[in-house]
This record gives sequence, C-alpha cells and structure tokens, in this order.
Amino acid sequence: KQEVTQIPAALSVPEGENLVLNCSFTDSAIYNLQWFRQDPGKGLTSLLLIQSSQREQTSGRLNASLDKSSGRSTLYIAASQPGDSATYLCAVRGSTLGRLYFGRGTQLTVWP
Amino acid sequence: GAVVSQHPSWVICKSGTSVKIECRSLDFQATTMFWYRQFPKQSLMLMATSNEGSKATYEQGVEKDKFLINHASLTLSTLTVTSAHPEDSSFYICSASQGAEETQYFGPGTRLLVL
Repeated sequence: KQEVTQIPAALSVPEGENLVLNCSFTDSAIYNLQWFRQDPGKGLTSLLLIQSSQREQTSGRLNASLDKSSGRSTLYIAASQPGDSATYLCAVRGSTLGRLYFGRGTQLTVWP
Repeated sequence: GAVVSQHPSWVICKSGTSVKIECRSLDFQATTMFWYRQFPKQSLMLMATSNEGSKATYEQGVEKDKFLINHASLTLSTLTVTSAHPEDSSFYICSASQGAEETQYFGPGTRLLVL
C-alpha cells in the first residue's frame, strides 16, 4: 500500500524566506504527483502537477521537483509571503483507477 | 476551468438523523467522482469511488450501508450519512473527473457536526 509522508509537519518563518517542503512515498510506481494548498476549513487548490516522466514543474514562485526512483518530491517556495500561509498537501496518484494517496500536509505560517 | 461545488458547506445535525451532501460538476461531465473524509490535522482519506450509473466502490473499513453514495447523473453525486453519530463529524470533500484516470477537481468541502 502506498504511504505518503510529509516533513516537516509545521513550519513558521518570517516573510521573505525561501522554503523547502518535503514529500516522500513508498511505492515508486506512480502515475503523477500533485501539490495542493488547503486554507483552514476550505477545499483543495491544485498548485503543481508533475507527471511520472517529468523532473520538475514551475509556477510563479513555486517549483516542484520529482525523483521517482528515490520516492521523493520537494516543493520550493521562493520569497515567502504571509498570503502563503496554509497547509500544503502532497498527493501521489497510483497507476490504476486514478486513486490519490495524500500525505498529512505541512502547515506553513509566514509572519510579517 | 473545471469547477466542482458542494452543498451544504456546513451542516449541524442531531445524532441518529441522516444527512445528504451533494457534489456537482458545474462545467464538465464527471463520469467518476471520489468522496474523501478529513479529520483535523489528518490527511484526506478516500472513502469511495463512484462511476455514473453504477454502484460505488468503497474502501476497506468504510461501511457502505452507513455512507450511501449515489451517482445518478454525469454532474451530480450524493453522499448520505445515515444515522449519523458524533464520530461521523468530519470534513467531507468530493472530487470529480472525466474519467478514472483523468485529473480530479476538488470541491470546497462540507463540514459535518453531529451533536
């Protein structure tokens, strides 16, 4: 069974710092990997999706990398802002039936 | 972009009553919909997968008689929590896709509180 782990569970930083969030998964036979943002009491907003054949994806200040063979992904946030405060979830998609496996998330707080 | 809505966003009910949650794809046809449950500070856990016109496939440990899922049309799936108890209090999120292997689009979630 696929297990997804995210480290750290929580992170509190001052505005302007560059951040790295980590995600690891146990089964490297994945279809793709996705990073989501979740604000308190809200649904999920998709940030980046990396196909299994890709190494990284970028969107604005966000960059996600994927090393499928080692079962790892990182989400890099440049020049963090208070508006980045949220929980960031990593999810891997299995090779069959579209099933997503989620990590517990990293709760990020960026203070002014 | 693909939009998924859920209704209601909040529901409070008494123990023993049944609650229905709707999940709608607003601008695309969703042949597959997924229902997740999320407890505080926990991950999203898949409860069941439903395909339009057929019975839902439930994950191990999820009671199909307690969590009734109906996916009668290509734009609507419903989750009914029957005889709800306080331990059913949770955040329920649906997602919809145009096929089991297509991108999932998530709804905003429904917060259920059972007193």
